Amino acid sequence: QAGLTQPASVSKGLGQTATVTCTGNKNNVGNQGAAWLQQFQGQPPKVLSYRNNSRPSGISERFSASRSGNTASLTITGLQPEDGADYYCSAWDNDLTAWLFGGGTKVTVL
Amino acid sequence: DVQLVESGGTLAQPGGSLRLSCAGSGFKFSSYGMNWVRQAPGKGLEWVAHFSGSSNTIFYSESVKGRFTISRDDAKNSLYLQMNSLRAEDTAVYYCVRGALDFWGQGTLVTVSS
Repeated sequence: QAGLTQPASVSKGLGQTATVTCTGNKNNVGNQGAAWLQQFQGQPPKVLSYRNNSRPSGISERFSASRSGNTASLTITGLQPEDGADYYCSAWDNDLTAWLFGGGTKVTVL
Repeated sequence: DVQLVESGGTLAQPGGSLRLSCAGSGFKFSSYGMNWVRQAPGKGLEWVAHFSGSSNTIFYSESVKGRFTISRDDAKNSLYLQMNSLRAEDTAVYYCVRGALDFWGQGTLVTVSS
């Protein structure tokens, strides 16, 4: 099954801004938006942003999500060492009737 | 607090069967669709199956259709995954995930090997 497209890696300096993109089509990202997940090695994923771009309680305001057409974006401002992790986008595909994931983006804080 | 606790993961033979369970608490289990999502060692996330919360609608990924069966028992706040005809490529951590993937369990490891 098709997936969503994310860059494999993003590297930025301490305090800088990192943006991770997620590209799908009109049946998934373009329809209901994408959620964003953060995962540390050996841990389960945690939701950073729901499909409507809102944040769960307890998630830092430094994480913000947006969407333009079929592409969703996660922006991390004021990068901290603890932001180094794998980030995944996910979206429901109405045509495939399946949850899709991006391949994951490894964010490295230099 | 919302909790999802998976169990049942173990070493299984190729061609064998295994049943995973997930116990939910801290929320109205029957009101939520539930999913199984897996992650092979060192790989990304892969959705496996979905069981809706009200319409009893079930969906499977193409990679497990015909081999895996998802079920739920709302009286026991539990979700299950019956895995048959297991293959080496089914080796993964299996996560029980709520609704629109908004809450994840800790996962249970399934290893398929002879």
